Amino acid sequence: RKEVEQDPGPFNVPEGATVAFNCTYSNSASQSFFWYRQDCRKEPKLLMSVYSSGNEDGRFTAQLNRASQYISLLIRDSKLSDSATYLCVVTVSGSARQLTFGSGTQLTVLP
Amino acid sequence: DAGVIQSPRHEVTEMGQEVTLRCKPISGHDYLFWYRQTMMRGLELLIYFNNNVPIDDSGMPEDRFSAKMPNASFSTLKIQPSEPRDSAVYFCASRLAGKNTGELFFGEGSRLTVL
Repeated sequence: RKEVEQDPGPFNVPEGATVAFNCTYSNSASQSFFWYRQDCRKEPKLLMSVYSSGNEDGRFTAQLNRASQYISLLIRDSKLSDSATYLCVVTVSGSARQLTFGSGTQLTVLP
Repeated sequence: DAGVIQSPRHEVTEMGQEVTLRCKPISGHDYLFWYRQTMMRGLELLIYFNNNVPIDDSGMPEDRFSAKMPNASFSTLKIQPSEPRDSAVYFCASRLAGKNTGELFFGEGSRLTVL
């Protein structure tokens, strides 16, 4: 079983739609959680951290469920520019904060 | 400010040849990471350094791969001899110690094709 699993998609949604991605992790010792965004043929970049209480950044909402070991990302009012691959990232305690990346979920927002 | 700088951006080589990828981390960053990304396996950590010292190389596929960090501003990843299955995008990333933000700063990657 992979340490971090994501639905690869692709998710094709119209502009203005709300879309949600889930990610599950296998190691219960995981400490920190993040979403990264990777545009086509570009490098990954941090989108947002995921806090236990849930957090928002504009149209983006991230949530963490430690009991079920999953993380979610909700994008409201999606824009064409949101088209990218979204990578779920987890760090495990005792690993000098190495980040383990999921394989990513591909999103295409259609006009 | 300059980000992480990698070279070459693209490399096409023949099986058996030596490949050297280069990375200049962001000045002042203590950690440097080498990742490999393929469609099949996603983003995999190969090795990382802390203050120029290799800490964990368990992700290095085999002895054909080696990495060095002779000083705080330069690292290399070498593949010798290269094989077609090494074709991938190789990313270098860096971050500051003590910053628990989970933010790695990636270079633009080196796209390697081994024929």
